[in-house]
Amino acid sequence: GESVGLHLPTLSVQEGDNSIINCAYSNSASDYFIWYKQESGKGPQFIIDIRSNMDKRQGQRVTVLLNKTVKHLSLQIAATQPGDSAVYFCAESSSGNTPLVFGKGTRLSVIA
Amino acid sequence: DAGVIQSPRHEVTEMGQEVTLRCKPISGHDYLFWYRQTMMRGLELLIYFNNNVPIDDSGMPEDRFSAKMPNASFSTLKIQPSEPRDSAVYFCASSLREGGPQHFGDGTRLSIL
Repeated sequence: GESVGLHLPTLSVQEGDNSIINCAYSNSASDYFIWYKQESGKGPQFIIDIRSNMDKRQGQRVTVLLNKTVKHLSLQIAATQPGDSAVYFCAESSSGNTPLVFGKGTRLSVIA
Repeated sequence: DAGVIQSPRHEVTEMGQEVTLRCKPISGHDYLFWYRQTMMRGLELLIYFNNNVPIDDSGMPEDRFSAKMPNASFSTLKIQPSEPRDSAVYFCASSLREGGPQHFGDGTRLSIL
């Protein structure tokens, strides 16, 4: 029979537009969060991280926002480029004493 | 700097055969993690080590799977005997801290026929 694959949410954006990828987490004790990017045929690559004592952190073209009240994390990519096409994962850990727990991922597709 | 190095990059073998996947973590990283990634289940943590000692192997699917870390610069994940449902991409990652950022290798794509 046919196997059912993991249904990854997909976000399609025009080149040059901004992208927002969202992630919900359930563990109230989580206090450290990371975004990873995984390109085809490669391992996940660290993009940016944030601790729970912050609600916003900026990197080069990327911003991570953390809303602890609703347990929500987002990754904003400015001026999205074709090279940004990948699967993006959020990951969380608690007090640095537990290994990262990864979300299911979101596929970003950039339309040139 | 050298990242996490995995070998082989691709492995195709017949069911019943023993498969050994290898990983060299980043020097100085005390934690090493083995993951399996499939379309069905996403990224699954199989086992992780601290200072060469297995800490949590609850993600190892069956007794057919075993992992060792004989020294700080080398780990293996072995499947014996292999089955078609073991086909997946297996990743190794290392980190300085247990809950800190993990650095991933490029994985081994395993196909069991």
